[in-house]
Amino acid sequence: DAEITQSPRHKITETGRQVTLACHQTWNHNNMFWYRQDLGHGLRLIHYSYGVQDTNKGEVSDGYSVSRSNTEDLPLTLESAASSQTSVYFCASSNLAGSLNEQFFGPGTRLTVL
Amino acid sequence: LAKTTQPISMDSYEGQEVNITCSHNNIATNDYITWYQQFPSQGPRFIIQGYKTKVTNEVASLFIPADRKSSTLSLPRVSLSDTAVYYCLVGDGYGQNFVFGPGTRLSVLP
Repeated sequence: DAEITQSPRHKITETGRQVTLACHQTWNHNNMFWYRQDLGHGLRLIHYSYGVQDTNKGEVSDGYSVSRSNTEDLPLTLESAASSQTSVYFCASSNLAGSLNEQFFGPGTRLTVL
Repeated sequence: LAKTTQPISMDSYEGQEVNITCSHNNIATNDYITWYQQFPSQGPRFIIQGYKTKVTNEVASLFIPADRKSSTLSLPRVSLSDTAVYYCLVGDGYGQNFVFGPGTRLSVLP
């Protein structure tokens, strides 16, 4: 069955280190998204991509970067991790652009920056 | 970018119908209304989407009045497993129109 996976599921790192979170989907979806969710809050969009080589900044993109070299993967990199980036990170994908068609979410990565 | 307002929390009992209303006064002509459900430690899951009037699927119904300034998610005969956070999103799907507000925390009691 098609799915979207994230790795690692849990990560503890230190301030200033570079961290990369992986997201892989097997639906062949063009659109992929990264969100962060802080305790008791909704999700906030970090970056998104509408296809290979396409990346766009979301609401809270500072300190994060993404690259899209193929359809299946959209890794999220924290260039220099900060304690404020401690959060749960969700990756999502969808098939069509326009209208808020269904986004499929991964299981999340819980990141702790000490 | 249409802002949405939902109740922070709601309580219900098993077997009751639950209606969660979302206000979106500045909704644009091209905007759709979409609802997601999120269980603890999981990513959100799509429930339903609509543009106007009424939409129904096997899980829920979505009621949208003619002025589209609000919408109501209706969950028939809820069970304990419907305890979750429900998010209302409004947008046309382009650009940064993927705004999840704080959502409504629904607690279903036995």
